Amino acid sequence: QKEVEQNSGPLSVPEGAIASLNCTYSDRGSQSFFWYRQYSGKSPELIMSIYSNGDKEDGRFTAQLNKASQYVSLLIRDSQPSDSATYLCAVRTSGSARQLTFGSGTQLTVLP
Amino acid sequence: EADIYQTPRYLVIGTGKKITLECSQTMGHDKMYWYQQDPGMELHLIHYSYGVNSTEKGDLSSESTVSRIRTEHFPLTLESARPSHTSQYLCASSERSESGYTFGSGTRLTVV
Repeated sequence: QKEVEQNSGPLSVPEGAIASLNCTYSDRGSQSFFWYRQYSGKSPELIMSIYSNGDKEDGRFTAQLNKASQYVSLLIRDSQPSDSATYLCAVRTSGSARQLTFGSGTQLTVLP
Repeated sequence: EADIYQTPRYLVIGTGKKITLECSQTMGHDKMYWYQQDPGMELHLIHYSYGVNSTEKGDLSSESTVSRIRTEHFPLTLESARPSHTSQYLCASSERSESGYTFGSGTRLTVV
């Protein structure tokens, strides 16, 4: 089992819809959780971080964390074609406490 | 605005050549990382450093070496490039153990 798993994708949503990206992790002691956006041919860009259970909102983005279920998600409201990218979930697991473990990413396409 | 810089942006080089990929950051971060990523594929950690004179190998077996003589500088060297080294190399840094990473713009290496 991979330490960090994401929807295999690709995921397509129409413009204006809510895109929901999911991530599960295996290490119950994980403390820090991050979402990165990576456009094709570019480097990952940090868009959200979350450390405690519940929701964290930043503009059109909402990160949700449920440590009991070992689940973190990213919601993108009012999706735009410019949101089309690969979204990477990253978790700081207790085993490698000073490194992030990245998921394989979910490719999102927002259709105009 | 990037505070972590990678050069060159693109490099095409012949088999057997020695190359050094440069990475510098102006944020004073102690922790720096090198990742390898093939198109559409996962990030693989190849080297990391937690400070000056500290370097460790990552999860991916690599024929490269790194050095950390100055906080701001973390170069990666391939002694003898091979076509299997063709990939994108991403440098990242972080301020604290619980922080996310900031990535550079990457070096796309092609070995012919």
